Amino acid sequence: ELKVEQNPLFLSMQEGKNYTIYCNYSTTSDRLYWYRQDPGKSLESLFVLLSNGAVKQEGRLMASLDTKARLSTLHITAAVHDLSATYFCAVDPSGTYKYIFGTGTRLKVLA
Amino acid sequence: GAGVSQSPRYKVAKRGQDVALRCDPISGHVSLFWYQQALGQGPEFLTYFQNEAQLDKSGLPSDRFFAERPEGSVSTLKIQRTQQEDSAVYLCASSSRALSYEQYFGPGTRLTVT
Repeated sequence: ELKVEQNPLFLSMQEGKNYTIYCNYSTTSDRLYWYRQDPGKSLESLFVLLSNGAVKQEGRLMASLDTKARLSTLHITAAVHDLSATYFCAVDPSGTYKYIFGTGTRLKVLA
Repeated sequence: GAGVSQSPRYKVAKRGQDVALRCDPISGHVSLFWYQQALGQGPEFLTYFQNEAQLDKSGLPSDRFFAERPEGSVSTLKIQRTQQEDSAVYLCASSSRALSYEQYFGPGTRLTVT
């Protein structure tokens, strides 16, 4: 059974600190996606990682993909309160766009 | 108004009632997906359309769930004889295969079955 696991599940951090969220998946996949979800809202696309070694950065967030290790990371630099949300990774191993989502990481940045 | 839209945004149904949830994808997007998101969980795949063809319905939890996209644009997810375990947010997403395979999600319909 395909599993996509994120850790930590919950993260409370101070403003200005750095942290990394990990996304592990149990089968081969060349594509991985990161989404942000605010409470009561839908999913906002953050990053699309399409190949091994892909690295993308947007503001204080940087995502990377290691398909050999079946691992993606979402690194937060100098966190600010506005980054508080739940972050999901998703893989698409069969190439049919049937996303398998991770468990989610609920991030709270304390002012 | 170029994003994915869904209606209604909230639906309360009594157990046993039928409900219909609507999704308007981004214009020109050929692929459409339905997901179910239980409280505190990640979305789970329900079904996939390419144009009007339903290519994958492996995620539909029971035969009470039915989806259609008759003209290749608007889609409807129908749940018959709703049960309490059907309470969830139902998300619709669309994508254009010509671009980066990225799925764009709508705001969701929160279904509560009482």
